[in-house]
Amino acid sequence: ETGVTQTPRHLVMGMTNKKSLKCEQHLGHNAMYWYKQSAKKPLELMFVYSLEERVENNSVPSRFSPECPNSSHLFLHLHTLQPEDSALYLCASSQLLGAGSGELFFGEGSRLTVL
Amino acid sequence: AQSVSQHNHHVILSEAASLELGCNYSYGGTVNLFWYVQYPGQHLQLLLKYFSGDPLVKGIKGFEAEFIKSKFSFNLRKPSVQWSDTAEYFCAVNAQGNTGKLIFGQGTTLQVKP
Repeated sequence: ETGVTQTPRHLVMGMTNKKSLKCEQHLGHNAMYWYKQSAKKPLELMFVYSLEERVENNSVPSRFSPECPNSSHLFLHLHTLQPEDSALYLCASSQLLGAGSGELFFGEGSRLTVL
Repeated sequence: AQSVSQHNHHVILSEAASLELGCNYSYGGTVNLFWYVQYPGQHLQLLLKYFSGDPLVKGIKGFEAEFIKSKFSFNLRKPSVQWSDTAEYFCAVNAQGNTGKLIFGQGTTLQVKP
């Protein structure tokens, strides 16, 4: 039990589909993140939310659309994806942003396959 | 731009062997440094971290890391590995004050043979 729950764990979608990934944290944190983990590549930071406000959008294509309705929930809406978007998408949360922060608590990830 | 480089992509050791995984970062300012571990089928979790003070940091499960500022390095060590240490290890850097933007290395897969 990590305190960060992601659903679904596995998702297969076609390039014309619309789907969403969900993340929920039970740790009382106020910052949440989406990372992309592809084989043989470093984890890529996609989005950062602090107190439900987006503070980082790391040059992510618009076919990925994040949503943070409250400090406990984070979504990643997916539409018209490409096969190269197939990866493990990791959600994380942390207590604080800024100096002294940086320890992230990760979920188990959503494995996305785009056909 | 900040970057993190892990020199070893795949390491194979026998049980009881000593381990050292290299990590170098590029950033001229003050940083926080981390090692995360991902056991097979599990989530990423923190192994140890350095924010300030003693540059030799001890983490869980007998791991330690040494911050050498002059070399921009934060190498991970363990004197005697166990089969259960088989996992993927990620070094990460956060520039202090940079709103939690953690930059990861590409990871090192450690395989420990029983």
